[in-house]
Amino acid sequence: DAMVIQNPRYQVTQFGKPVTLSCSQTLNHNVMYWYQQKSSQAPKLLFHYYDKDFNNEADTPDNFQSRRPNTSFCFLDIRSPGLGDAAMYLCATSRGAGTTYEQYFGPGTRLTVT
Amino acid sequence: AQSVTQLDSHVSVSEGTPVLLRCNYSSSYSPSLFWYVQHPNKGLQLLLKYTSAATLVKGINGFEAEFKKSETSFHLTKPSAHMSDAAEYFCVVSGMDSSASKIIFGSGTRLSIRP
Repeated sequence: DAMVIQNPRYQVTQFGKPVTLSCSQTLNHNVMYWYQQKSSQAPKLLFHYYDKDFNNEADTPDNFQSRRPNTSFCFLDIRSPGLGDAAMYLCATSRGAGTTYEQYFGPGTRLTVT
Repeated sequence: AQSVTQLDSHVSVSEGTPVLLRCNYSSSYSPSLFWYVQHPNKGLQLLLKYTSAATLVKGINGFEAEFKKSETSFHLTKPSAHMSDAAEYFCVVSGMDSSASKIIFGSGTRLSIRP
């Protein structure tokens, strides 16, 4: 089945130690998104790629970076995680960036910062 | 500017009774509207979407929603709740904002089902 895959599902890192979360998709979608979701809150868009075109949300901290080496893979790099970065990180894809396209979500990676 | 408001943070119903989750939106242009469901520790799954076709939209698992432009609402309903419907539900509006498409999530409604 075509899907969005996130690895690992659970990630523990130390305060200030760089961490990378990965996302892959078999849907061949043009757009990939990264969201941060804290407990009992809505997902918050960090950034998205339309093909290789990177789009950063205005309030996304510089501590968060992303790479998309090819259509299938997208990575979220947190350069110096703080305790406030502990959250669920969701990857999503959509066929296009227009308003009518729904998003397909991965299962998420839960990040713990110790 | 766009916005979306989910009027109830928590809804509790008995199994077998109707479900109503309320969503109001604000958008300068004709938006697309979505409902997503999130079960605990899982990603979001699309329930249904409205994209300017029929105003009554049927989705998966017996859910449906009606787009009412005059009321700027897109409420989610289900005739008979099942225990497996217990989850978090998000209303999402997608529209044009300063020539770029913008996606806005509501704050979510947690649905609890009583046996």
